[in-house]
Amino acid sequence: NAGVTQTPKFQVLKTGQSMTLQCAQDMNHEYMSWYRQDPGMGLRLIHYSVGAGITDQGEVPNGYNVSRSTTEDFPLRLLSAAPSQTSVYFCASSYSGTREAEAFFGQGTRLTVV
Amino acid sequence: AQSVTQLDSQVPVFEEAPVELRCNYSSSVSVYLFWYVQYPNQGLQLLLKYLSGSTLVKGINGFEAEFNKSQTSFHLRKPSVHISDTAEYFCAVARSSASKIIFGSGTRLSIRP
Repeated sequence: NAGVTQTPKFQVLKTGQSMTLQCAQDMNHEYMSWYRQDPGMGLRLIHYSVGAGITDQGEVPNGYNVSRSTTEDFPLRLLSAAPSQTSVYFCASSYSGTREAEAFFGQGTRLTVV
Repeated sequence: AQSVTQLDSQVPVFEEAPVELRCNYSSSVSVYLFWYVQYPNQGLQLLLKYLSGSTLVKGINGFEAEFNKSQTSFHLRKPSVHISDTAEYFCAVARSSASKIIFGSGTRLSIRP
């Protein structure tokens, strides 16, 4: 099993550019989420989805859009990149039931905005 | 809303010494609790989780944690650390009825030979 796959692993953007971070999972998990990791701040939730067609905002949603057209994919879009969005981004997925609450993480995307 | 506080941003210990990484949470409803580990330049990996039942939870790599409802704590312990335990450790909480997971700010464990 591939688990959670994120692409690209590294990306450099200029201020104002847009791009999409890709996330795919092959575990048929209902729940998917995006986090950003910044030094000393842990992981902060950007957006999450509890199933195809359903998305919601997390703690730090501004400047990001998401959609969930399939169970497998949950792309994160940066509409107009800013230096404050320089960070490491992690995608995660999990079952939404009560028995399996563990989240599985991708390897991360390191984004630099110059 | 839930929140998680990791009281120590860095914990240096000597190899083969015991270690405790502290975590406190706040929530008005029942919660699930997790500890994740992140090795350098990697994603997060689950160490252990508390869903219900026994308050002492054993995880991988010899780690264990104890859920204390009255003190709203979920401290992580290991009786004897190894150089390979050098990593950042994250405590996390989720509501029992939902899957949104909230993370603490992390504790960087450094092991001295």
